[in-house]
Amino acid sequence: DTAVSQTPKYLVTQMGNDKSIKCEQNLGHDTMYWYKQDSKKFLKIMFSYNNKELIINETVPNRFSPKSPDKAHLNLHINSLELGDSAVYFCASSPPTMSGNTIYFGEGSWLTVV
Amino acid sequence: GENVEQHPSTLSVQEGDSAVIKCTYSDSASNYFPWYKQELGKRPQLIIDIRSNVGEKKDQRIAVTLNKTAKHFSLHITETQPEDSAVYFCAAGYFGNEKLTFGTGTRLTIIP
Repeated sequence: DTAVSQTPKYLVTQMGNDKSIKCEQNLGHDTMYWYKQDSKKFLKIMFSYNNKELIINETVPNRFSPKSPDKAHLNLHINSLELGDSAVYFCASSPPTMSGNTIYFGEGSWLTVV
Repeated sequence: GENVEQHPSTLSVQEGDSAVIKCTYSDSASNYFPWYKQELGKRPQLIIDIRSNVGEKKDQRIAVTLNKTAKHFSLHITETQPEDSAVYFCAAGYFGNEKLTFGTGTRLTIIP
């Protein structure tokens, strides 16, 4: 299946731990993103990478570090997790810019920090 | 930067009636306005988009209108059905640019 896939889907962890979420897309897209959706359903962009290069870095704490080993992968590592990090994290990708802006989201990773 | 406001935050309509969700944006340079639908527990998915060179676009029961002067755009769903129940997000940005700013979402409930 062609898609944006991310793992794990559910993650429950204690405060202070470090965790990673992995994302892969096989759509051949150049641009990948991480979005955060909080409990109020607000959808906010965190990072955007284009062909492995960081394009957008919204005001995200530096405990969050994205890594793009190649243009098909964008992983998110979070250090020293806090309660406020509990959210759904969506990985996404979009085609080359001249083809449009449609963002294809992954299924989301539900992170709960206890 | 761009700021997108979306209203209402919740909307309940009787099945078969129409639903309208409105968004305003702040950056007059924005020229691309998509709408995403997010069903419960699922990912957001694009349902319709409009570029600033047109004022209206329609796809079956869904239509989007854009007023560039007033900097607002709206989603219209006619003949609503139970499967239209979801959270709808508007967004604004520049066509061909990576960054989209999303509205705060509208939870639409269709009452059978």
